[in-house]
Amino acid sequence: EVLLLESGGGLVQPGGSLRLSCAASGFTFSSSAMTWVRQAPGKGLEWVAVMSVSGDRTYYADSVKGRFTISRDNSKSTLFLQMNNLRAEDTAVYSCARDASRGDYPPYWIDSWGQGTLVTVSS
Amino acid sequence: DIVMTQSPDSLAVSLGERATINCKSSQSLLSSSNNKNYLAWYQHKPGQPPKLLIYWASTRESGVPDRFSASGSGTDFSLTISSLQAEDVAVYYCQHYYGTASTFGQGTKVEVK
Repeated sequence: EVLLLESGGGLVQPGGSLRLSCAASGFTFSSSAMTWVRQAPGKGLEWVAVMSVSGDRTYYADSVKGRFTISRDNSKSTLFLQMNNLRAEDTAVYSCARDASRGDYPPYWIDSWGQGTLVTVSS
Repeated sequence: DIVMTQSPDSLAVSLGERATINCKSSQSLLSSSNNKNYLAWYQHKPGQPPKLLIYWASTRESGVPDRFSASGSGTDFSLTISSLQAEDVAVYYCQHYYGTASTFGQGTKVEVK
């Protein structure tokens, strides 16, 4: 069974930083592209970023480009999202998800999701 | 960026009746290299992670009931629930994965009339 467990969410002031982690199990993490998706309160799903299997390719939504960085540690089956210069509009539940790409050319569709961690940006 | 627009925003359908959701992309999702449309559909129920229903615009994910079907090509796509069941009440999203980014539609809420 694929398990994705996010952590690191919380309350942060505008302009602040936060680092999210996602511990993966139940599948070969090093063979899967991984992605982050968020959902603001009362809003729809928003794709945030994806990282290829090797980590050589990373792609971002325009709304977070230059502020967020996705990374991975295949030795620890862990995905990260470093979020800098946070804004109120970044408030959302952030979910780690497995991209269907098993190679270096994501994004594809998403076939597994975590439950998410809440990030609140407020003074 | 490709913009995905779903219609309607919500719909109420009687149990056993058909529900159809439309999704339009701002540019073609059809790849000339493999003749595939880079579009997926998800079902999202409150308190649960989204569930993949369809990928490549019309390929049903394993385990998804066959009352769910999808079609379309290029810029216009649709998801149909042939006979709505109570457990199908949810928000449905389309997602494109064409190119080096991805976006979701705004979602369509399906309720029982």
